[in-house]
Amino acid sequence: EADIYQTPRYLVIGTGKKITLECSQTMGHDKMYWYQQDPGMELHLIHYSYGVNSTEKGDLSSESTVSRIRTEHFPLTLESARPSHTSQYLCASSGLAGRNLAHSEQYFGPGTRLTVT
Amino acid sequence: GQQLNQSPQSMFIQEGEDVSMNCTSSSIFNTWLWYKQEPGEGPVLLIALYKAGELTSNGRLTAQFGITRKDSFLNISASIPSDVGIYFCAGRTGNTPLVFGKGTRLSVIA
Repeated sequence: EADIYQTPRYLVIGTGKKITLECSQTMGHDKMYWYQQDPGMELHLIHYSYGVNSTEKGDLSSESTVSRIRTEHFPLTLESARPSHTSQYLCASSGLAGRNLAHSEQYFGPGTRLTVT
Repeated sequence: GQQLNQSPQSMFIQEGEDVSMNCTSSSIFNTWLWYKQEPGEGPVLLIALYKAGELTSNGRLTAQFGITRKDSFLNISASIPSDVGIYFCAGRTGNTPLVFGKGTRLSVIA
């Protein structure tokens, strides 16, 4: 069972509002990720972090920003939401797997379904 | 960048049938992961593979890490209605983020 949490699960918000999607994990993972996914479609990496105070942009250009002030917390912020931001946002984290420290498994949170009207 | 070709894109099968799907890469991976995603939820890790030639099972699911390190397959035996969902493969080289396939959408007809 993955201990990674996202809030809110669903959010409907008007155009121009600032929103922050929360993600936290209690597995002690150093790496965290944000993906954007339209229903039933492929996953697009938008941000990732390999540790505190480290953030990188992913493959898909995004108008969102992220911060990593604490190991367990990786919030994503949209300064001014637009209808084109309507999507599902998935947070994930990865860490060392079991007995072999060279192996790394990645776990996903349940997602936040964002609708911008 | 690296790309994964996942096939088939979708499958419609009868309950009780076996299912096979695969992923191929243009480059070598040292980790392969297989996920299942149901509507409205995040992907759930099914199987992790770390060694070329490795064959790993998780209940009715079996996955293999290809010998060339450029492919992996997932088999589901004796499918049941709750197997319905989207199955994603993902691979990684070194410390880079995972590269995901576009998913195989599985429908099971009772």
